[in-house]
Amino acid sequence: GAVVSQHPSRVICKSGTSVKIECRSLDFQATTMFWYRQFPKQSLMLMATSNEGSKATYEQGVEKDKFLINHASLTLSTLTVTSAHPEDSSFYICSARAVRAGGLTGELFFGEGSRLTVL
Amino acid sequence: DAKTTQPPSMDCAEGRAANLPCNHSTISGNEYVYWYRQIHSQGPQYIIHGLKNNETNEMASLIITEDRKSSTLILPHATLRDTAVYYCIVRVANSGNTPLVFGKGTRLSVIA
Repeated sequence: GAVVSQHPSRVICKSGTSVKIECRSLDFQATTMFWYRQFPKQSLMLMATSNEGSKATYEQGVEKDKFLINHASLTLSTLTVTSAHPEDSSFYICSARAVRAGGLTGELFFGEGSRLTVL
Repeated sequence: DAKTTQPPSMDCAEGRAANLPCNHSTISGNEYVYWYRQIHSQGPQYIIHGLKNNETNEMASLIITEDRKSSTLILPHATLRDTAVYYCIVRVANSGNTPLVFGKGTRLSVIA
């Protein structure tokens, strides 16, 4: 149990285009999802907290108009990188907090990550 | 900022036990010690967590000192597939909307 799936796993896009990354909790409900970004040889950096049915909370220095987050259901959150530029190239990872998942309730599980390359 | 300190890297021979230390001298009474690992180009994988008693599961053992200021993750028989960055994180369990804060972790290299 406690599987979190991200799609796409890899995406290459041209500068100026927008890219949407999906994060799904496959076998549990997640009222809260977190989005992280990881640059090469660095640790994961929290970008934003996504709450189902409400606006996301962004960390300092993360542009909310550039990184649009939508958490429309208890199993899906999306991150849209708008007008992507080469400096947005990174590994994006989501994490979901399990609710109503028996013994797993409250724990955090991670997706496989999505590698974005902007040309 | 992460509230843990880990060595940046360690090597371990295949088949031997890998002992990964973590210092968390400012841990609070209601904070658990969590361990995750990240294999290259994958998302973090949960390994184990504990409060004050030693814990063991199918992946690893977690030894927490009596004063809870440090802990050791033990992989009893390391394989090449255990090569990864291991993160030690302190966090209140089931703590609502609190995310995991990652430090730099320990890069474990298992050598044949």
